[in-house]
Parts: sequence; structure tokens; C-alpha cells
Amino acid sequence: DGGITQSPKYLFRKEGQNVTLSCEQNLNHDAMYWYRQDPGQGLRLIYYSQIVNDFQKGDIAEGYSVSREKKESFPLTVTSAQKNPTAFYLCASSTGINMRNTEAFFGQGTRLTVV
Amino acid sequence: LAKTTQPISMDSYEGQEVNITCSHNNIATNDYITWYQQFPSQGPRFIIQGYKTKVTNEVASLFIPADRKSSTLSLPRVSLSDTAVYYCLVGQSSGGSYIPTFGRGTSLIVHP
Repeated sequence: DGGITQSPKYLFRKEGQNVTLSCEQNLNHDAMYWYRQDPGQGLRLIYYSQIVNDFQKGDIAEGYSVSREKKESFPLTVTSAQKNPTAFYLCASSTGINMRNTEAFFGQGTRLTVV
Repeated sequence: LAKTTQPISMDSYEGQEVNITCSHNNIATNDYITWYQQFPSQGPRFIIQGYKTKVTNEVASLFIPADRKSSTLSLPRVSLSDTAVYYCLVGQSSGGSYIPTFGRGTSLIVHP
């Protein structure tokens, strides 16, 4: 089945460590996004990518990094510079970032906890 | 940038119709209105999208008045499984690109 897959579902990190969250899609979508969600809050955009080898910062990019070497993959690295990384992370994709009637498809999320 | 305003929470009972209204006074001419549903610890799921008047699918209806400054998501005969957070989105442009931007949404609780 086509879809978007995030892994792992749960991730624990020690303070000072970098961790990488995986996001893969087989929908042939050009655009991909990373969001962060804190308890009781909406989704906040971290990074987005419109095309391979290109990505842009979202509203809360500090302490995060991404790469887009393949159309199918958009991994997110949470660096030690991110002061409060414990959150629920969601990856999404859509057919085109310039299409105002596009639908975004989301993965099931990764819950990151700093211990 | 377009911004949406929706109630933070709503309560309903099984079998009732639920209407959630979203205000988007600064909606752009070519913006669509999209609604998503999110269950706890899951990613949001697309419900419905429209541009004007009325759109209906198998799970919901979307009513958009002529001025497009608001929209109403209608869920007919809700059940306990409709308890979720509902987000209303309109276009958020950044450097010419459309970015799906989510607010806090409306937390709907359906009671037995």
C-alpha cells in the first residue's frame, strides 16, 4: 500500500545526544514536511522540502537539521542544540507545495523523550 | 498571511449533528479550505476540502458562504469514535509556496 512511514514510533535520547528520525514515502510526492506537536498544542512546522536537494526552514527550525537526498526520504535530526526536544514529531507529504488544493498525508508520528 | 480561528473545544452526544465553524477573514482569492481530523498519538487525517458553497463526502459536509470568510464543518450523527481534534486550514504562503499550517484546532468530545 502507498503511504508515509515514520520510524521509530518511540525514541529515547540522553541529553547531549543527536538523534535522527526517519520518514519515508512511496506516494511519489514532491513536497515533504516535518512538524512538532506538544501536548494540547497544534502542529508547528520545523522544516519543509519542495524538491530533492532543497529544503527550507519552518517556524521552529533551531536545533534541527534535515536532508533530502532522495525523493522518498526526508530524515530529521534533533541535535543537542535543541533545548526542549521532548515532543511528538510528525512527517507529512503532499503532491506539490504550490498546489493550494493539495492534501497532506501524515505518518503515524515518532514520540521522542529525553531522559 | 491567512489565519484561522476556531473554538478550542466542543461537546456533543452520540447521534447528534456537530457543526464546527472556522473564521478566516483574510482568505486569499485562490485559497482552498481544508479540514483535518487527529486522534491522540496519530497523524492528522484529511477529512474534506472546498473552495465555495457546499462540499459533501461520505464522512462530512463543508459549508462555505459566498464571502468565504468562514466555513463550517458538519459531522452528521456523531459517534464516540468521532472524538478527536479538528483542524481548519487555509493557505499560508511563504515565498510563493503554500505551507499547510495548523492552529490549535477544536477538541471535540462525544459523550454517550
